[in-house]
Amino acid sequence: EAGVTQFPSHSVIEKGQTVTLRCDPISGHDNLYWYRRVMGKEIKFLLHFVKESKQDESGMPNNRFLAERTGGTYSTLKVQPAELEDSGVYFCASSQAAYEQYFGPGTRLTVT
Amino acid sequence: AQKITQTQPGMFVQEKEAVTLDCTYDTSDPSYGLFWYKQPSSGEMIFLIYQGSYDQQNATEGRYSLNFQKARKSANLVISASQLGDSAMYFCAMRDMYSGGGADGLTFGKGTHLIIQP
Repeated sequence: EAGVTQFPSHSVIEKGQTVTLRCDPISGHDNLYWYRRVMGKEIKFLLHFVKESKQDESGMPNNRFLAERTGGTYSTLKVQPAELEDSGVYFCASSQAAYEQYFGPGTRLTVT
Repeated sequence: AQKITQTQPGMFVQEKEAVTLDCTYDTSDPSYGLFWYKQPSSGEMIFLIYQGSYDQQNATEGRYSLNFQKARKSANLVISASQLGDSAMYFCAMRDMYSGGGADGLTFGKGTHLIIQP
């Protein structure tokens, strides 16, 4: 069974540009989570989807971040416009039960 | 609000020795889950072990065990007979498990960088 996949693995963009990160969860997993780790800081929760609905988006830093999960399958996280402080590793995770979350390999975003 | 504290930024351990990675937590919720993840240099987060707040026994998964001391709000990870492949970042995390069956996102600690020496 395929694990959680994320695309791209690495993105380098200039300040002010737009970037879209994609996450494909494990097939059949209704729960999808986005997290971010800024260098030197803890991994922070961004938001949680249950199927296509946003269950909790309390961790989204500001309105420059937009997450979608059309059809309850893959999810995208768009940053527009990107700022320097958005640099970090963005992780996606999925789960079916309310226990372990399976993480993807992450997308390393560098904003210059 | 939840908080996870990992006080060991880095650890060096001889191969085959047992390792204890410290984790303390704080929450006001009666029902919660505690997790440990491993992040090798490849970057992927690997789930290791889970402990529920109402579980009577400490969780074990192969060489991993979780030393759960609820009164002390402590959830230390013990790795027995360490191997070179255990070298990685280790993160302690927690989340609420509310009665509706749903669950919030995880709250993570800063992690411990474990290096196993031959």
